[in-house]
Amino acid sequence: DTEVTQTPKHLVMGMTNKKSLKCEQHMGHRAMYWYKQKAKKPPELMFVYSYEKLSINESVPSRFSPECPNSSLLNLHLHALQPEDSALYLCASSQAGVPDTQYFGPGTRLTVL
Amino acid sequence: ELKVEQNPLFLSMQEGKNYTIYCNYSTTSDRLYWYRQDPGKSLESLFVLLSNGAVKQEGRLMASLDTKARLSTLHITAAVHDLSATYFCAVDRGSGTYKYIFGTGTRLKVLA
Repeated sequence: DTEVTQTPKHLVMGMTNKKSLKCEQHMGHRAMYWYKQKAKKPPELMFVYSYEKLSINESVPSRFSPECPNSSLLNLHLHALQPEDSALYLCASSQAGVPDTQYFGPGTRLTVL
Repeated sequence: ELKVEQNPLFLSMQEGKNYTIYCNYSTTSDRLYWYRQDPGKSLESLFVLLSNGAVKQEGRLMASLDTKARLSTLHITAAVHDLSATYFCAVDRGSGTYKYIFGTGTRLKVLA
């Protein structure tokens, strides 16, 4: 199984809402990533978890809060977002400790009103 | 700061023609990745290049890596419409940092 799943596919939220994005993989990968992608732009790295511990936070605003409950799951908790946070949020996973390709999920398209 | 640049940013080509996409990066890295993204879709891995001189081919696409020049190329042979997509290269900082930096992307349109 080389699939990374993400839910929901689409999310519309107001600036005062709290919501969560979910990501799951069963490839035994111990590195998991959150990226943000604006239209016609490359993905921008937000967070990296390695062996369930946060290893990279690319100066992301605190209104985004990642969580890695176990080796297969990755969440991104959203609170008090701004309209400019509207984007495609991509989850990815890869082998840990070795240079390896990332497997991307289908993404969650987020719209903040 | 690691920068990854691609050119061209946009490429419109006729079916059957050959062309090359270039990926330049600013600091040392021995690993380079190529991905494809269809409109509104996620990223699909194409190639992983792990050493200087590495060359990989799949169908009409061939990728190569020159770490001394900090340059990777993605060559398209006899393009077909199905290759229309955006192509990204990505570089990681190495040493297990997991810090992947994506290039600017090349939007390829193959005209029938």
